[in-house]
Parts: sequence; structure tokens; C-alpha cells
Amino acid sequence: SAVISQKPSRDICQRGTSLTIQCQVDSQVTMMFWYRQQPGQSLTLIATANQGSEATYESGFVIDKFPISRPNLTFSTLTVSNMSPEDSSIYLCSAAGLAGTYNEQFFGPGTRLTVL
Amino acid sequence: QKEVEQNSGPLSVPEGAIASLNCTYSDRVSQSFFWYRQYSGKSPELIMSIYSNGDKEDGRFTAQLNKASQYVSLLIRDSQPSDSATYLCSRGGGADGLTFGKGTHLIIQP
Repeated sequence: SAVISQKPSRDICQRGTSLTIQCQVDSQVTMMFWYRQQPGQSLTLIATANQGSEATYESGFVIDKFPISRPNLTFSTLTVSNMSPEDSSIYLCSAAGLAGTYNEQFFGPGTRLTVL
Repeated sequence: QKEVEQNSGPLSVPEGAIASLNCTYSDRVSQSFFWYRQYSGKSPELIMSIYSNGDKEDGRFTAQLNKASQYVSLLIRDSQPSDSATYLCSRGGGADGLTFGKGTHLIIQP
């Protein structure tokens, strides 16, 4: 499977600030997604990052809070805007449509965000 | 709502035994199902995918899907302490994101 990297791996941020998380895949992929995993919880889909168009957000997530970019087939960013302590979570990107796979999604290592 | 239900456990299994993890889902449209393993502090790792009714085997892992009963399971044979982790059942895939269950915490007792 492809190598998926995320930057930063962790960060501690102040309330009211914004953080941009980068996701890089070492090969071209069809689909990229962003998930959130709150402490002790399972994963929740935030949005599908669409190449060349606006992201598709799940219910409960909005573009103003979580703007997403996907400028090409290997890279995406998620920004967590105007952060509050409730945004403290692990944020994970995933990729699907890798060569030799069907529907499978593979995850990056995650970004652990703490908001004070 | 396309929900996925799992028993959160913990499920404790002796080393060498078969661990059986179960999952139900709420919609009849879902076609693709995935099992992920997540160690504490790590990201989910895909271990099995299943798309059609019946069994799919890969090494010590067997996934079972019954679309009529809306039920998917994962069997781990010859359980090892290294299998101790949280197992996440999910549906979706392709152009759709994944919907995850809450995960089952599996403990393999040496």
C-alpha cells in the first residue's frame, strides 16, 4: 500500500487560533478523506476532499470551521479554524483508489491536536 | 442513518483460542465492509475487506458477511497477545467515506 504522511504529528494550540494539517500520499489516489477521532471514541468522517472542487462535508461539519483543499491527486490540507478545547482530537486523513486496490481506504498516522 | 453497531467489550480470549468479533449495520444498501485494527496511540490498519456474502479468509483472519441479516463478523484463529487491540468495523468505501462502529476492545490473555 502507499505511504501516507501527515504534518504535524501533534500540536498544542491556543483557543481562537487555526491549525492547518497536511496530508501527503506517495502515489496518485482517486479519493482522499478527513476523519476525526475524539478521545476514547471511534472515527467520524468530516469530509471528502475533492480534487479541483469544493470538499463534500458530512452533517455537523461546515466549511467555515474545517476548510479543506486538494490541489492535486497526492496532497490535501485540513484547517481547524477558530479552535476551542472541544476540537481536541486526533485528525486522520485517508486515501482510496490506490493501484491494485478496490474500495479500500488506508490511513495516515494522524495528527494529535490539543487546544488549551 | 447508516449506522454500524459493535459490542465495545472488552472481549477477553485465551491465547490460542478463536476470537469472534461481531458487527451489525442498519441499511440494506451497503455493499462494502471493512475491518480495521487499531493499537493504542496508532492509526487504524486495514486487515480485511469483504464485499459478497459468505466467508473470506486471509491467514489467521476470516471475515463473514450475511447481507440478509445485515451482519458482518471477524474471526481470529490461534489468537496471539499481539492481536490485543481495538477492532473497528466499517461500511462504505470507494467514493463514499467510511462509517465506523465504536470498536471492540480485544484482549488476548497469555
